[in-house]
Amino acid sequence: EAQVTQNPRYLITVTGKKLTVTCSQNMNHEYMSWYRQDPGLGLRQIYYSMNVEVTDKGDVPEGYKVSRKEKRNFPLILESPSPNQTSLYFCASRPGSYNSPLHFGNGTRLTVT
Amino acid sequence: GENVEQHPSTLSVQEGDSAVIKCTYSDSASNYFPWYKQELGKRPQLIIDIRSNVGEKKDQRIAVTLNKTAKHFSLHITETQPEDSAVYFCAPETGGGTSYGKLTFGQGTILTVHP
Repeated sequence: EAQVTQNPRYLITVTGKKLTVTCSQNMNHEYMSWYRQDPGLGLRQIYYSMNVEVTDKGDVPEGYKVSRKEKRNFPLILESPSPNQTSLYFCASRPGSYNSPLHFGNGTRLTVT
Repeated sequence: GENVEQHPSTLSVQEGDSAVIKCTYSDSASNYFPWYKQELGKRPQLIIDIRSNVGEKKDQRIAVTLNKTAKHFSLHITETQPEDSAVYFCAPETGGGTSYGKLTFGQGTILTVHP
């Protein structure tokens, strides 16, 4: 089944403890991206990747890191999480670089205390 | 970057009525206009999209219209049903240029369809 898989679905952590949210797609998509969703603010792009080893900042990249060493994987790294990073996170991919719809993962609910 | 505004932020209709959500964007070079639906507790999913060489597209009860001159596009849902209740997002995009791949979503519209 074609899908975008995120793990974990839920994560509770403490301030400053490094964490990684994984994202993997099995559709051979070039483009992958991360979003955070907060009430009233919609979906805001954190980082995106046009292809392997190519990543760029979205609108809210502060406090996050990403890497794209393989085409299928695009992990989101929080080196020192803070409470303002408590949010719902979505990973998404698509075949072309534009003009095609995003396929979203099921989301990761992160709580930082 | 692209400025995107969605209106209304909430919309309440009776089953069977029509619903219209408008998305206004700032980049005149935008050429791809999708609408995503997010049901409660679920991921966003594409429901309809349109490209800049087309003014209107319809898929059963759902349609999207594009006005490139005025820089807005709208989602139209006819004969609404309770299962249409969800949050709807627009995400106009520009292919090419320095913002290639960078996406800005509208703030979302909460649609509630009352039986």
